[in-house]
Amino acid sequence: DGGITQSPKYLFRKEGQNVTLSCEQNLNHDAMYWYRQDPGQGLRLIYYSQIVNDFQKGDIAEGYSVSREKKESFPLTVTSAQKNPTAFYLCATRGAAESSYEQYFGPGTRLTVT
Amino acid sequence: KNQVEQSPQSLIILEGKNCTLQCNYTVSPFSNLRWYKQDTGRGPVSLTIMTFSENTKSNRRYTATLDADTKQSSLHITASQLSDSASYICVVSARDSNYQLIWGAGTKLIIKP
Repeated sequence: DGGITQSPKYLFRKEGQNVTLSCEQNLNHDAMYWYRQDPGQGLRLIYYSQIVNDFQKGDIAEGYSVSREKKESFPLTVTSAQKNPTAFYLCATRGAAESSYEQYFGPGTRLTVT
Repeated sequence: KNQVEQSPQSLIILEGKNCTLQCNYTVSPFSNLRWYKQDTGRGPVSLTIMTFSENTKSNRRYTATLDADTKQSSLHITASQLSDSASYICVVSARDSNYQLIWGAGTKLIIKP
């Protein structure tokens, strides 16, 4: 998990509420990513950010929003528009010097919406 | 369509035994292939990364192979330990993408004493 912190570890919300997942890193990495993991499926990219104040949609961005106001922080908001928000959410980083584009992952947040 | 398929979906072996996990991909143009280990409820951790020109790479008891012609990779685990129980995920990166990885669904490995 290194210098990537995701909080909380477990999160419970009622349907219809927005919820924000935290991701903080002290690796001085430029790029940050949010993935969603569901049982029996590969990780799917939600949003990514290559630099502060810039971010791009991934494959499944609908119902999610992000911000990148600081290099260290990349919070993900799961909105009420997300049809099936219960999942394991992983934040990752990648440094600009990494020629192999290695990604480093946080410990994850398990979100349960009822 | 870029895809990564892994087999078997799950595997149970006795402690001390060897095993081999498979990964087939259709990603093009190919850049590199990685194997990650993911413990339950944790983030994935990289085991190996292989480029087009590499066909074998070892990391302690893990040996990955890559056949770029047949677009297949394998991860061999030698003398398994209880701590090897985890999901093993194959991930392929396309050369024209500098951010996106194509993830396999993983093989869930259980080591029994």
